[in-house]
Amino acid sequence: DGGITQSPKYLFRKEGQNVTLSCEQNLNHDAMYWYRQDPGQGLRLIYYSQIVNDFQKGDIAEGYSVSREKKESFPLTVTSAQKNPTAFYLCASSARLAGTGNEQFFGPGTRLTVL
Amino acid sequence: AQSVSQHNHHVILSEAASLELGCNYSYGGTVNLFWYVQYPGQHLQLLLKYFSGDPLVKGIKGFEAEFIKSKFSFNLRKPSVQWSDTAEYFCAALIYNQGGKLIFGQGTELSVKP
Repeated sequence: DGGITQSPKYLFRKEGQNVTLSCEQNLNHDAMYWYRQDPGQGLRLIYYSQIVNDFQKGDIAEGYSVSREKKESFPLTVTSAQKNPTAFYLCASSARLAGTGNEQFFGPGTRLTVL
Repeated sequence: AQSVSQHNHHVILSEAASLELGCNYSYGGTVNLFWYVQYPGQHLQLLLKYFSGDPLVKGIKGFEAEFIKSKFSFNLRKPSVQWSDTAEYFCAALIYNQGGKLIFGQGTELSVKP
C-alpha cells in the first residue's frame, strides 16, 4: 500500500525539549517537504529536499532542523529554539521538484502540543 | 514576494447550490496551479491541477477550475454541492524560479447544509 506515513499522530512535549517527527514514503519520490499548518494561515513551508543528503530552508525554517540520509525518510526536529512550536505538521513528497510529476502528496500529519 | 490569496475564509451553502471559490496568485512567470481539499480528519488530497494547455481543468468529484492568466486567477467551481463536500479547500501555486516551492493560500472552509 503506497503512501506517506507520519508518526506519531499526536505528540506532547514539555517546553524546552527537542522533538523529532517521523516521515516515511514508499512512493519512490525524489522530493520531500515539511509544512506547518496553523488555523487561518494555510500551509507554510519549513524545509524541503530534492535528493538524498541535500535540503533547503523554506519560509519558516528557524527553530527546525531536518536530515535526508535515505530517499524514503525525511525526519523533522523541532528544537527548543522554535518560539511557537504547537501546530499541525504535514509531510509531503513529489516525484520531482519541478515539471511534470511535481504534484505533492501529503501524509496524515502530526499534531504537536508543547506544554 | 509571491503569494496566493483566497478571498473567502468561510463559505456556507445549501445542498445543490453552486460553488465558486476565488484564488489569485501574484507572479507573472510560469506557474503550476493546484487545488487541494482536506476533509475533516483526513489527509490533504489533490482535487485538480493546471500545468499548461486547456485553461479549464476538470478534477475529481465534479470540481473544475479555470486558469485566467490575465487575471492571475484560478477559481474553483462546482455546479451543485453536496453535504459531503464540507471540507477546507486550499489553492496553491508552484513557482519555478522559487526552486519548485509550493505556495499555499490561507484556505477556505466550506460548510454545506443538508
